[in-house]
Amino acid sequence: EAGVAQSPRYKIIEKRQSVAFWCNPISGHATLYWYQQILGQGPKLLIQFQNNGVVDDSQLPKDRFSAERLKGVDSTLKIQPAKLEDSAVYLCASSLATTRTDTQYFGPGTRLTVL
Amino acid sequence: AQTVTQSQPEMSVQEAETVTLSCTYDTSESDYYLFWYKQPPSRQMILVIRQEAYKQQNATENRFSVNFQKAAKSFSLKISDSQLGDAAMYFCAFLGGSEKLVFGKGTKLTVNP
Repeated sequence: EAGVAQSPRYKIIEKRQSVAFWCNPISGHATLYWYQQILGQGPKLLIQFQNNGVVDDSQLPKDRFSAERLKGVDSTLKIQPAKLEDSAVYLCASSLATTRTDTQYFGPGTRLTVL
Repeated sequence: AQTVTQSQPEMSVQEAETVTLSCTYDTSESDYYLFWYKQPPSRQMILVIRQEAYKQQNATENRFSVNFQKAAKSFSLKISDSQLGDAAMYFCAFLGGSEKLVFGKGTKLTVNP
C-alpha cells in the first residue's frame, strides 16, 4: 500500500515570496491533515479536511496561509507571502476517519526555509 | 487547552538495554487517547503505540510498552532490548474531545552500539 506522498521535499524561498506544497493521501482515506513542525517542537495542526470539507482550521494563519482539497483527494497548502517564521517542516497526514481515533499516517514532509 | 510535556529533550541508551521516555499531560477530560510517535531522521513519523484512557491495562507492542498512570496524568514509554533502529525523535501526543492531536516537544533518543 502506497503511503502519504508529499512534494517537494525541500524548498528554499525569499521572504515575501509564495510557495505551495502538495499532498496525496493514502487511497481511501477521507481525512487529511496539514501540520507545521518548527525545529525543536512537535507538530501543530494547521488544518483538517474531511473529504473536501474543512473540519478545523482554527490554527491556520488565514491572512497568509490557504489550503484546499479539491475532489476530496489531493491537497495543496499555500503560503503567500512567506515570513521568516514560516521556516518549518510541513507534514501531511491522512486517516480513514471512520472514528476519531483512527491512526494518522504521515508523509515525509516538506522542509521550508525562508531567507 | 490540553498540554503535553516531555521533560527529557535527549536520552541515550546502550544497545540491548532498556530506556524509559517520560510524558505528562494536562486535561480535565476523562475520555481521551494517548500516543507515542517515532520520527526517524528524515523519515516519516510512525505510530509506535496507543493507549485508551478508559483501559487500565497498559498497552504493549513487542518491545514497546507504556506505563499509564491516569491519576498522575503520566504516560511513559519503555523500550526494551534497544536496537540501533530505535534511534529517533519520540513524540507523545494527546487526543481528546477536540479531536485534534496535541504533541509534546519530543525526546531525541540515541542508541549507542
